[in-house]
Amino acid sequence: GENVEQHPSTLSVQEGDSAVIKCTYSDSASNYFPWYKQELGKRPQLIIDIRSNVGEKKDQRIAVTLNKTAKHFSLHITETQPEDSAVYFCAANRPLYNFNKFYFGSGTKLNVKP
Amino acid sequence: NAGVTQTPKFQVLKTGQSMTLQCAQDMNHEYMSWYRQDPGMGLRLIHYSVGAGITDQGEVPNGYNVSRSTTEDFPLRLLSAAPSQTSVYFCASSDRTGPPNTEAFFGQGTRLTVV
Repeated sequence: GENVEQHPSTLSVQEGDSAVIKCTYSDSASNYFPWYKQELGKRPQLIIDIRSNVGEKKDQRIAVTLNKTAKHFSLHITETQPEDSAVYFCAANRPLYNFNKFYFGSGTKLNVKP
Repeated sequence: NAGVTQTPKFQVLKTGQSMTLQCAQDMNHEYMSWYRQDPGMGLRLIHYSVGAGITDQGEVPNGYNVSRSTTEDFPLRLLSAAPSQTSVYFCASSDRTGPPNTEAFFGQGTRLTVV
């Protein structure tokens, strides 16, 4: 089955700096890669996603890149702000017969210091 | 539009007790799933359903049962709670048509403690 690894597990940056979180996946059949943000005590919410036919996608201060050959994808947050502090999860979505199955990374706790 | 609603938000059980975690969605999604979230382990799939009357096991199904009698509801049952089931549980739903409608919508979570 699919295996998603996420690094680092914790990341501390100064406000205004950039943050990068990296994920690798193992199954070349995975075709959709979302990133979720989970604030303390709240539900995970989608912040950006990328499909396997796209190499990069941007949305204001966040961007995601995908390297299908190397099977890795990354989340980039620029000009970080204290409200970016949260746990971030990557996921790989692998179509499985009649179900889109998500495999999640173990999460990265991002701390943005003011 | 409420999205995905889970109840209860918090629960303490004694070892051996049973309970049902409720999940309901109002987006007419065919896919629903249950995850547990443990520190350092991300979200692990317990059970999932591709439509009313159809369920299947995920990565960590032992100790849990599910059923799906309607499109809206997908309850998770713990038949005999064990301390190893202490976790935060999330229900999620998604559209079956695939990208670009693959986003998983999560409920607000249930923090379960088994003593």
